[in-house]
Amino acid sequence: AQSVTQPDIHITVSEGASLELRCNYSYGATPYLFWYVQSPGQGLQLLLKYFSGDTLVQGIKGFEAEFKRSQSSFNLRKPSVHWSDAAEYFCAVGDYTGNNRKLIWGLGTSLAVNP
Amino acid sequence: GAVVSQHPSWVICKSGTSVKIECRSLDFQATTMFWYRQFPKQSLMLMATSNEGSKATYEQGVEKDKFLINHASLTLSTLTVTSAHPEDSSFYICSAPPRTGFGGYTFGSGTRLTVV
Repeated sequence: AQSVTQPDIHITVSEGASLELRCNYSYGATPYLFWYVQSPGQGLQLLLKYFSGDTLVQGIKGFEAEFKRSQSSFNLRKPSVHWSDAAEYFCAVGDYTGNNRKLIWGLGTSLAVNP
Repeated sequence: GAVVSQHPSWVICKSGTSVKIECRSLDFQATTMFWYRQFPKQSLMLMATSNEGSKATYEQGVEKDKFLINHASLTLSTLTVTSAHPEDSSFYICSAPPRTGFGGYTFGSGTRLTVV
């Protein structure tokens, strides 16, 4: 069955430090992978997505992610974290089931940023 | 880009009353709408999928009579929480999938429901 695992429930980094959020997926075919960010009480904003092609994907707000098929991973990175990056981050894989196109969600990683 | 407008942003209601949440696609036609529920500090749980002109498809364990979903037009999908109880308090989010492929899922801004 398709699934997404985000091993880190909570991460704290200092402002200016680098960040890597882990995401592993289980999917039988070529995965369609997403990273979303959710600020407190807010909806979801797409950071970046991978469908095919270059395995290093650039997104908004200075984020990037690398698809590694051999490791079934799609880790999110940022070289220098800002205080405004404190939020909940969700990894998701697109799943064709029947006629709908659902997203399978990880449990999320909560990011705290120390000044 | 595509926008889904979700209202209300927050609502407080008394136990036993019903609450309706609306999601409107503003500049596109949404034949499908996903409805999610999110508990604090947790991931999104898919509740149901609404399709314009047909019955909604509910995920296992979701009470159909409790969470009424209607997709009456190509621009409006509604979720009504009937006879709400405190355990129904949660954050509800709607999402329209892209018309093709996997790009461009559009999310509403969410509704914080508190039942007192």
